[in-house]
Amino acid sequence: GENVEQHPSTLSVQEGDSAVIKCTYSDSASNYFPWYKQELGKRPQLIIDIRSNVGEKKDQRIAVTLNKTAKHFSLHITETQPEDSAVYFCAASSPSGGSYIPTFGRGTSLIVHP
Amino acid sequence: GAVVSQHPSRVICKSGTSVKIECRSLDFQATTMFWYRQFPKQSLMLMATSNEGSKATYEQGVEKDKFLINHASLTLSTLTVTSAHPEDSSFYICSARDVEGLNTEAFFGQGTRLTVV
Repeated sequence: GENVEQHPSTLSVQEGDSAVIKCTYSDSASNYFPWYKQELGKRPQLIIDIRSNVGEKKDQRIAVTLNKTAKHFSLHITETQPEDSAVYFCAASSPSGGSYIPTFGRGTSLIVHP
Repeated sequence: GAVVSQHPSRVICKSGTSVKIECRSLDFQATTMFWYRQFPKQSLMLMATSNEGSKATYEQGVEKDKFLINHASLTLSTLTVTSAHPEDSSFYICSARDVEGLNTEAFFGQGTRLTVV
């Protein structure tokens, strides 16, 4: 099955700095890569996603890059703000009997200091 | 985005009793729903994949007789924790994917905090 590794587990930055979170996956058949933000005690919310036919996608201060050859993808947050503080999860979705089950990374706790 | 409602949000039960958690897709139909367990400051651990009209597929190490899953309709899946014990205390969260999208975003419920005393 799919295996997703996520680094770092904790990331502390100053407001205004950039933050980068990296993930690798093992199943070359995975073709959908969502990123979720989870605030304490709340549900994960999708913030951006990318498909395997695209190398980069950007939405305002958030961007995701994908390298299919190396099987890694990254989340980039620019001009970080305190409200960006949360746990971020990457996921890779691979076909499993046709169900496309997402496998999550272990999460990155992002702390943005004012 | 689509809305997934999970109920209850918090439940406290006595050891040995059973607890049912509901996961509903409110404005879309979901052929597939996923059930996760999340420990504090840890990732989402997939417990099982729930398919409408068929038996759920459980991940290795998850006891199907303890965690009963029923996906009776395209908008409702239930997880029943049977004979609960304190070690079952955790945050349980479901997600659902629109039947129209084979490999698209999964929307999460708000989660259920289960405490077994």
